[in-house]
Amino acid sequence: GESVGLHLPTLSVQEGDNSIINCAYSNSASDYFIWYKQESGKGPQFIIDIRSNMDKRQGQRVTVLLNKTVKHLSLQIAATQPGDSAVYFCAESASYGNNRLAFGKGNQVVVIP
Amino acid sequence: DAGVTQSPTHLIKTRGQQVTLRCSPISGHKSVSWYQQVLGQGPQFIFQYYEKEERGRGNFPDRFSARQFPNYSSELNVNALLLGDSALYLCASSLGQNSNQPQHFGDGTRLSIL
Repeated sequence: GESVGLHLPTLSVQEGDNSIINCAYSNSASDYFIWYKQESGKGPQFIIDIRSNMDKRQGQRVTVLLNKTVKHLSLQIAATQPGDSAVYFCAESASYGNNRLAFGKGNQVVVIP
Repeated sequence: DAGVTQSPTHLIKTRGQQVTLRCSPISGHKSVSWYQQVLGQGPQFIFQYYEKEERGRGNFPDRFSARQFPNYSSELNVNALLLGDSALYLCASSLGQNSNQPQHFGDGTRLSIL
């Protein structure tokens, strides 16, 4: 399929190392945040979410950190595997009566075996 | 369990034509949203439908319209197609209309305009 990650910032990481992907969001009213993984030819796949009343949430091999003071979100992937190679997007939403998601610029992660 | 399903997977149209894209949400999900993803960019919000009513609309022209059926499936219609409408059209479903619930995406319809 066509590449999702044309001209995107790229993070190259050695297999087994930890990855950190950063995201700056713009809307101070945003109260819900999601990280998605998108592989070539597929739709975005939900990884983990966090609400604004939290600053850290952990899943399986992934951790999301939220810093509302500087409007910054990060995704940490532990023990990165070749299957983690993809484009990663952060998305934010605010309680405006609908669930509109605003996506950030994607980050291409390339895992080197 | 089946995820969000979209049809067709690929479509080729010419300028000025009309297109209808279809989406079936995850079973039990009542909200469907549509997004447009241009190559190299993140998805852009087009519409949200919940209980057959439009709950949100993004910055897209009136050529774009949608509807939701009693079984919660949805259609996106685009009239008078332009070359710039070439994109991946994604459908996402969630349980309810609120903003603090995860949306799950289908694999999209790749629309190419010649």
